[in-house]
Amino acid sequence: DAGVIQSPRHEVTEMGQEVTLRCKPISGHNSLFWYRQTMMRGLELLIYFNNNVPIDDSGMPEDRFSAKMPNASFSTLKIQPSEPRDSAVYFCASSLALAGGGYGYTFGSGTRLTVV
Amino acid sequence: DAKTTQPPSMDCAEGRAANLPCNHSTISGNEYVYWYRQIHSQGPQYIIHGLKNNETNEMASLIITEDRKSSTLILPHATLRDTAVYYCIVRWNYGQNFVFGPGTRLSVLP
Repeated sequence: DAGVIQSPRHEVTEMGQEVTLRCKPISGHNSLFWYRQTMMRGLELLIYFNNNVPIDDSGMPEDRFSAKMPNASFSTLKIQPSEPRDSAVYFCASSLALAGGGYGYTFGSGTRLTVV
Repeated sequence: DAKTTQPPSMDCAEGRAANLPCNHSTISGNEYVYWYRQIHSQGPQYIIHGLKNNETNEMASLIITEDRKSSTLILPHATLRDTAVYYCIVRWNYGQNFVFGPGTRLSVLP
C-alpha cells in the first residue's frame, strides 16, 4: 500500500496566485480529511469528507479556500487568491469509516506551501 | 471532545523507557484515548488507542488509570528515531475528527 499520497511536496507561489493541492487517499478508505499546520496554531482541521461528501467545512478559514472530492480516489484543496498568511504545511489524511476505525487516520507526507 | 493536558517537553535516554503522561480529567464514558506522534517534517502517525483496559502493540503500551482521568504512553526502549511530538487525544470512537493539541516534544538523547 502506497499510503496517502499528496502532491506537490513543496509549492512556492506569489501572492494572488491560485494554488491547488492534491491528495490520493488509501484505496478503500471512505473518509478524507484536510489539516493545516503552522507554528502558531498547530494542527487544524479544515474540512472532511465521508463517501466523497463534505461533512464539516467549519475549519475552512474563508471563502478563498475550497475543497472537492470528485471521486473516492482523489481530492483537491484550492486557495484562490493565495496570501502570505496561507503559508503552512497542509496534510491530507484518510480513514476507513467516519469513526476512523481502530487505527485512527493515516496521514500523507504533507505539502509545504510558501506564499511570497 | 474532552481536553487533554500534556507536558510541553520531556527528555529520555536512549534504550530507557519513555513514559509520557496525559491528563484528561473531563473524559466521558464513551470517549477513547488515542496517541499519535509526529516526527519532524512528517505527517502524524497513529500509535495506539484504548478505552478502559491497558493496551499494548508493537510500538508502545498504553496505561489508563482506573478512573480514566489520566493515561501514560510507554515506549519500552526508546531510540533516537522516537524523537518526536507526541499527541494525546480523547474522542468518541465514532466521533467526528481528531483535535490535536500542542503535544509533548520527546527528545531521546544518546
